[in-house]
Amino acid sequence: EDQVTQSPEALRLQEGESSSLNCSYTVSGLRGLFWYRQDPGKGPEFLFTLYSAGEEKEKERLKATLTKKESFLHITAPKPEDSATYLCAVQVSGAGSYQLTFGKGTKLSVIP
Amino acid sequence: DVKVTQSSRYLVKRTGEKVFLECVQDMDHENMFWYRQDPGLGLRLIYFSYDVKMKEKGDIPEGYSVSREKKERFSLILESASTNQTSMYLCASLRIGGSSYEQYFGPGTRLTVT
Repeated sequence: EDQVTQSPEALRLQEGESSSLNCSYTVSGLRGLFWYRQDPGKGPEFLFTLYSAGEEKEKERLKATLTKKESFLHITAPKPEDSATYLCAVQVSGAGSYQLTFGKGTKLSVIP
Repeated sequence: DVKVTQSSRYLVKRTGEKVFLECVQDMDHENMFWYRQDPGLGLRLIYFSYDVKMKEKGDIPEGYSVSREKKERFSLILESASTNQTSMYLCASLRIGGSSYEQYFGPGTRLTVT
């Protein structure tokens, strides 16, 4: 069974304090790994897709990396507006569909 | 920009009512999805559709059905709403570009069944 585990469940950072969120996965074959940001009461907002080990993508203060077993979302010098829940999801190859399996998310709070 | 809209942000229904949730995307995408999101359980796939009139069950289809009569519109139907269907419902649309795949979500409908 495909599994996606995110850690930690919650993370509190001081403004400017860099850190990383983890997404580990166990799947039969990875087609893609996705990161989303979700604000309270809203739909997830697409951030990145990673397709192969060693791939990295960046957007402002966020950088996503991928290995064969896990992905990291690095947050550099976070600001209070980065506070949100970050979701990781995987798409399995060979399934004949594009459905995603999601982790439960990491709730990030950045304190001024 | 991809735009996915959902018919209601908040909805309150009574047990036993038939409930329709509608989702519209404006990018001519073939693949659309319905998820529900619950605290501690994350997002779970209910149904998806890969073309007009085509649908597939996701992980938790029981108590739900879907309709896709037009490419841009994907409806989720609760045949007889129950309190355990109180949840946040999220629609998504898939953009495929070459070898890349990106699912874009709507704003969500928070459904309360009393």
